[in-house]
Amino acid sequence: EVQLVQSGAEVNKPGESLKISCQGSGYNFNTYWIGWVRQVPGKGLEWMGIIYPGDSDTRYSPSFQGQVTISADKSLSTAYLHWSSLKASDTAMYYCARLPGVVTYAYFDYWGQGTLVTVSS
Amino acid sequence: DIVMTQTPLFSPVTLGQPASISCRSSRSLVHSDGNTYLSWLQQRPGQPPRLLIYKISNRFSGVPDRFSGSGAGTDFTLKISRVEAEDVGVYYCMQATQFPYTFGQGTKLEIK
Repeated sequence: EVQLVQSGAEVNKPGESLKISCQGSGYNFNTYWIGWVRQVPGKGLEWMGIIYPGDSDTRYSPSFQGQVTISADKSLSTAYLHWSSLKASDTAMYYCARLPGVVTYAYFDYWGQGTLVTVSS
Repeated sequence: DIVMTQTPLFSPVTLGQPASISCRSSRSLVHSDGNTYLSWLQQRPGQPPRLLIYKISNRFSGVPDRFSGSGAGTDFTLKISRVEAEDVGVYYCMQATQFPYTFGQGTKLEIK
């Protein structure tokens, strides 16, 4: 069974760094793209970027390029979303999701349960 | 960026009655490989999104057959043949034909 399990909720202050994770199981993690999607409370879905764990090829949405870093550790079957300096506007639920293959044109077939990030002083 | 526009944004439906959601893209979603990467997602209250339909009309594993997708080019539709109580939530269309991937604004389905 394919599963994406995300790390727990975070509460941080503006300016702090943060890395959240998404661990895949039930499939060959290295050969499927993993993406990140933001959902601000009460709002819609926004695509942030994707990474291919096999070679760490990464694509970002222009809206998030330079704001976050997406990475992956093949040995841990885990993808990460990292902020070097959080802002209050980063408060949101973050989902990881899988693309069903090696190409980037597809759809997200499996989703993580979400990680709520709250940034407040 | 490709803009995805859903209508309606709010859909009150009677149990057992059909429901329909439209999604229009600002440019054709036909990929050079001949496929159209338009998918539909359901987000129940307090839950992560769940894939319902991919490549316009293919139901994902475990999705009831009361859900169907249709369309081509820039105009797409999600239909629920008979709405059940568990269908309450927000429905999103999404395109992954071209970067950046984009979502519709979401359509909230509620029971009358």
